[in-house]
Amino acid sequence: SQKIEQNSEALNIQEGKTATLTCNYTNYSPAYLQWYRQDPGRGPVFLLLIRENEKEKRKERLKVTFDTTLKQSLFHITASQPADSATYLCALDRNYGQNFVFGPGTRLSVLP
Amino acid sequence: DGGITQSPKYLFRKEGQNVTLSCEQNLNHDAMYWYRQDPGQGLRLIYYSQIVNDFQKGDIAEGYSVSREKKESFPLTVTSAQKNPTAFYLCASSTGNPDTQYFGPGTRLTVL
Repeated sequence: SQKIEQNSEALNIQEGKTATLTCNYTNYSPAYLQWYRQDPGRGPVFLLLIRENEKEKRKERLKVTFDTTLKQSLFHITASQPADSATYLCALDRNYGQNFVFGPGTRLSVLP
Repeated sequence: DGGITQSPKYLFRKEGQNVTLSCEQNLNHDAMYWYRQDPGQGLRLIYYSQIVNDFQKGDIAEGYSVSREKKESFPLTVTSAQKNPTAFYLCASSTGNPDTQYFGPGTRLTVL
């Protein structure tokens, strides 16, 4: 069956450290993978998109990798800050980008 | 000021009543989406539309209906056939390419 998993429901790290979030999938063949940030009671906000032929993508303190062999994406936040505390969702495309399927999310808490 | 709006933010209904959630966008996007989010879970796709007057079922369409008569609008009706309608409903739009989805603020529906 098809499945998307994100590492641990919750992740606590110390301010200044690098947070690494994992997205693993089974029986999907995405051409694209996205990461979103969601704050409580609000809609998700797009962060990064990475294509299947891209190994790595960066934006300021964010870095995403995409390994289609391992069927895994890693999302890194360097020099983390308490303001980075939120739930982070990964999403895979289906039908050549016609729609996306979301993972359950990881709730990140950055402790001062 | 471009964006995507959902109304109302909170909605209460009695069991057995149909209810319609509004979603409007002025981003000139072709594609629109409806998701449902339950506590501690990711987003699940209800319906999506790639173009006016056309829409497709998502993963959990039973008990829901939509229309797409105008490019800017994609209302969702939660019918009495939906067994467990209490949830946070999110609308999104995109250019239709595998691109970022822009989410609305969400409507929290509670059925009493």
